[in-house]
Amino acid sequence: AQKITQTQPGMFVQEKEAVTLDCTYDTSDQSYGLFWYKQPSSGEMIFLIYQGSYDEQDATEGRYSLNFQKARKSANLVISASQLGDSAMYFCAMREGYFGNEKLTFGTGTRLTIIP
Amino acid sequence: GAGVSQSPSNKVTEKGKDVELRCDPISGHTALYWYRQSLGQGLEFLIYFQGNSAPDKSGLPSDRFSAERTGGSVSTLTIQRTQQEDSAVYLCASSYGGAGGETQYFGPGTRLLVL
Repeated sequence: AQKITQTQPGMFVQEKEAVTLDCTYDTSDQSYGLFWYKQPSSGEMIFLIYQGSYDEQDATEGRYSLNFQKARKSANLVISASQLGDSAMYFCAMREGYFGNEKLTFGTGTRLTIIP
Repeated sequence: GAGVSQSPSNKVTEKGKDVELRCDPISGHTALYWYRQSLGQGLEFLIYFQGNSAPDKSGLPSDRFSAERTGGSVSTLTIQRTQQEDSAVYLCASSYGGAGGETQYFGPGTRLLVL
């Protein structure tokens, strides 16, 4: 079974609209972390936001927020007021288990295109 | 401050040759990771170094792949007898490690093409 599932291979969104990128995960660990990264056409992976499994509140970073639904094992990324510069690939990733085993497992990504 | 740096940025080699890829982590980061991004394969973990602990090599695809980290800083990923399926972008990341410092920051990658 896939540990990280991103079901939207591509999305087109009008500039200034909000967009939600879906991510579901599969783990039996109680302690884990969820990450979102942005990869523009230049290729570099840019960290956006992090949610720990024990965090009681949804993470927010500027225009990015993470809609964390633990019971449903979902960690969707919400981008408010989208901009042309948001066009990129977006990856959801998970760190499982307690610290000391911090490798990330990535989803297949969603290619987001912002339309002017 | 300076981010993670990788060299070379691009490498073209012939099948059967050995290649070395270098990663300089962010200063002060104790954890260093190598990942590979291939077309159709997504991002896959290769190897993880944390301080002086034995590295987690569980992601290395074959014994042609090896990595070392000298002095707890710079790391080199070596691919021996390269094959065409080794063509990919090799990404290095570093983090402080441990609770509160687990966010991994990535370098720009090395694009490897094996002819």
